[in-house]
Amino acid sequence: NAGVTQTPKFRILKIGQSMTLQCAQDMNHNYMYWYRQDPGMGLKLIYYSVGAGITDKGEVPNGYNVSRSTTEDFPLRLELAAPSQTSVYFCASTPGKANWGNQPQHFGDGTRLSIL
Amino acid sequence: TQLLEQSPQFLSIQEGENLTVYCNSSSVFSSLQWYRQEPGEGPVLLVTVVTGGEVKKLKRLTFQFGDARKDSSLHITAAQPGDTGLYLCAGVGSTGANSKLTFGKGITLSVRP
Repeated sequence: NAGVTQTPKFRILKIGQSMTLQCAQDMNHNYMYWYRQDPGMGLKLIYYSVGAGITDKGEVPNGYNVSRSTTEDFPLRLELAAPSQTSVYFCASTPGKANWGNQPQHFGDGTRLSIL
Repeated sequence: TQLLEQSPQFLSIQEGENLTVYCNSSSVFSSLQWYRQEPGEGPVLLVTVVTGGEVKKLKRLTFQFGDARKDSSLHITAAQPGDTGLYLCAGVGSTGANSKLTFGKGITLSVRP
């Protein structure tokens, strides 16, 4: 099983450019999440989705957008890249619904993004 | 906002030593998860604790959930270089209704051969 696949693995953007970080899971999971990880800061939730067509803001949503048109895919969009968005981005999924808190979150290997 | 404080932030020890690290909060959690993350990879779940006072063992790793479900500890016996990594705790709010985890900032462990 591929699990959670994130593309690209690395990217350098110029200030003001836009891009989409891709995330796909093949486990038929209902819940999907986007986190950013900065040194010494753990994981901060950007957006999450509990099913196709449903998305909600996390702790740090400003400057990002998401969509969830299918169960499998949960892309993260940066519209106007800023240096503060330099980070490592992780996508995760979990089966969700009942007892979701007892289920593991399955993470991708991350996208390392630098904004210059 | 529910916060999880992890301590110590950094720990460097010699192979064979024992260690205990902590995950503390003033809030009650319905469950708490521990993840380990290695460089260049995403976090991987080690354990989920659900019941206050619960103790779970994973080989040389022992996890405990506080009686009041506000804190947790991880004890490693005879640490090995393979234990090196970032250890993250994550909590599910007491209602469990908001579908998201709260992560601590993590503990960076280095085990020297």
